[in-house]
Amino acid sequence: EIVLTQSPGTLSLSPGQRATLSCRASQSVTRRYLAWYQHKPGQAPRLLVYGASTRATGIPDRFSGSGSGTDFTLTITRLEPEDFAVYYCQQSDSRTFGQGTKVEIK
Amino acid sequence: EVQLLESGGGLVQPGGSLRISCEASGFIFTSYAMSWVRQAPGKGLQWVSGISGSGGRTYYADSVMGRFTVSRDNAKNTLFLQMDSLRGEDTAVYYCAKDLAYCGSECEPEFFDNWGQGTLVTVSS
Repeated sequence: EIVLTQSPGTLSLSPGQRATLSCRASQSVTRRYLAWYQHKPGQAPRLLVYGASTRATGIPDRFSGSGSGTDFTLTITRLEPEDFAVYYCQQSDSRTFGQGTKVEIK
Repeated sequence: EVQLLESGGGLVQPGGSLRISCEASGFIFTSYAMSWVRQAPGKGLQWVSGISGSGGRTYYADSVMGRFTVSRDNAKNTLFLQMDSLRGEDTAVYYCAKDLAYCGSECEPEFFDNWGQGTLVTVSS
């Protein structure tokens, strides 16, 4: 089973700053099998990116995904107040999630 | 508009059983795989189980294999999760999730583009 490890565990940033979140796989993942989600407390998770770099419907272009092989990145170019949340990567082969990165207000 | 409404959560004793449901609307239910994803208190997301659009293929995480059974009633646009031999570590909010891909009746779950608000299952004596 492929294990996804996300880093850092917590990212403390201010609105307007750039956020770079990492997701590392224990073995190579085909690009089309990697997605990113946003999850806020008390809300349903939201799909942001699939296929490593394709934004889901309605997702602002400040969110972008990149990477290949074992290293993938979610970038939020300018943090908006509503972007502070927990972010998960997921691979669709065994449908496993990473442990999450919390983006908190500094 | 896609809507997923879970129900049936509650308090159950260790070793007990519970069935949770998810009523779906706003899309062609039979054309999408569906999944259950859970979040234990203070923990991250964990995919639990999935089922193809026709219901002919089912998928499970190792941690629930042999204890949980996923099913669907396509005539009633409803997804179910029968949970038996429940353990304390099954305590979680259980989310129903629709698959991203429209691909007919036999696709397996991949990515989840619509989620319900979740139903809380507590396993405790």
